[in-house]
Amino acid sequence: KQEVTQIPAALSVPEGENLVLNCSFTDSAIYNLQWFRQDPGKGLTSLLLIQSSQREQTSGRLNASLDKSSGRSTLYIAASQPGDSATYLCAVRGGETSGSRLTFGEGTQLTVNP
Amino acid sequence: GAGVSQSPSNKVTEKGKDVELRCDPISGHTALYWYRQRLGQGLEFLIYFQGNSAPDKSGLPSDRFSAERTGESVSTLTIQRTQQEDSAVYLCASSLEATSTKTFGSGTRLTVV
Repeated sequence: KQEVTQIPAALSVPEGENLVLNCSFTDSAIYNLQWFRQDPGKGLTSLLLIQSSQREQTSGRLNASLDKSSGRSTLYIAASQPGDSATYLCAVRGGETSGSRLTFGEGTQLTVNP
Repeated sequence: GAGVSQSPSNKVTEKGKDVELRCDPISGHTALYWYRQRLGQGLEFLIYFQGNSAPDKSGLPSDRFSAERTGESVSTLTIQRTQQEDSAVYLCASSLEATSTKTFGSGTRLTVV
């Protein structure tokens, strides 16, 4: 059974700091990994999708890396802003043994202080 | 439509009543997922539809939960004889195909009193 862990559970940083969020998964047989943000009381917004054959994806100030063999992904946020405050979730889509579901981590709650 | 639409956005129901939640996926998306998120917890997989294949129902917590999807269009999630532990936000997501980016709706907040 796939398990996804995110560290840290919560993070508070001053505006302008670069930061790294970590995601690890137990079954390396994945199709892809996706990072989302969730704002309080709202649904999920997709940030980046990394296919299993890829090593990283970039979008603006965000960079996500994937090391499939070691079961790890990181989300790097450059020059953080108060508007980045949200819960960040990583989710993996498993291979044949895990079915077609997305398995989510518990999330990292990020607060960027002005 | 431009995004995944869920209705109602909020639902308060009495314990023991049946509820039906609706999800309109993005047009053309073959894959559709239902998830549940209890207060302060992570997302819990419920069910997955892919085209005309048999759905993956392995996440449904009990036989009180069922879901249907007609072709590649609307899906409904039905909870019979609701219990207080069913209170949660129910999120629907769709994607062009199983390996594509998932787009989530804003969810239905269900409160069972």
